[in-house]
Amino acid sequence: DTAVSQTPKYLVTQMGNDKSIKCEQNLGHDTMYWYKQDSKKFLKIMFSYNNKELIINETVPNRFSPKSPDKAHLNLHINSLELGDSAVYFCASSQAATSGSTEAFFGQGTRLTVV
Amino acid sequence: GNSVTQMEGPVTLSEEAFLTINCTYTATGYPSLFWYVQYPGEGLQLLLKATKADDKGSNKGFEATYRKETTSFHLEKGSVQVSDSAVYFCALSANTGNQFYFGTGTSLTVIP
Repeated sequence: DTAVSQTPKYLVTQMGNDKSIKCEQNLGHDTMYWYKQDSKKFLKIMFSYNNKELIINETVPNRFSPKSPDKAHLNLHINSLELGDSAVYFCASSQAATSGSTEAFFGQGTRLTVV
Repeated sequence: GNSVTQMEGPVTLSEEAFLTINCTYTATGYPSLFWYVQYPGEGLQLLLKATKADDKGSNKGFEATYRKETTSFHLEKGSVQVSDSAVYFCALSANTGNQFYFGTGTSLTVIP
């Protein structure tokens, strides 16, 4: 009963290819996120969706496009992969509260290696 | 704006040593504060949280107190174990709960 699941766990691909990472949460949360973690473990927010609507779109290349078919899913599609895209990508979800905040739940990560 | 600053690692301790990882924050309004732990090859897991000033979060022997006057949320454990070796992230969430701000992470290695 994984709360936030993302697939695949590992992805090795050549430069120039297009790939997708899928994410699903079964927690009933309204908000989902994509984070990129570099080799120094630094976490950078990429996108945030609330009820299928984009609410955060940090400065990421246009080659990255999130897709949210419903509020339980947030997929990440990457076009024309580059060596610098190699990283671990984490999906997360949270329930926005009207007062106070709840924690974010993270998937296990997808280690993307571009060769 | 909102941001989190935590002490840089790596930190190496002997088993049973006392651990402190410092975390300070800047926030508008009244954020919630969190510590996450990331074990090797895994995603981030919530370790503990505090949602208002003077709250103390605790879990697995770790604790942190939300100090509004010093804008801090330092993580402490009285006696670390080898199994505590991981990367620890301090984070805050703005009022709406739609945005999380993470520190840079502190790598902890505990040696027997």
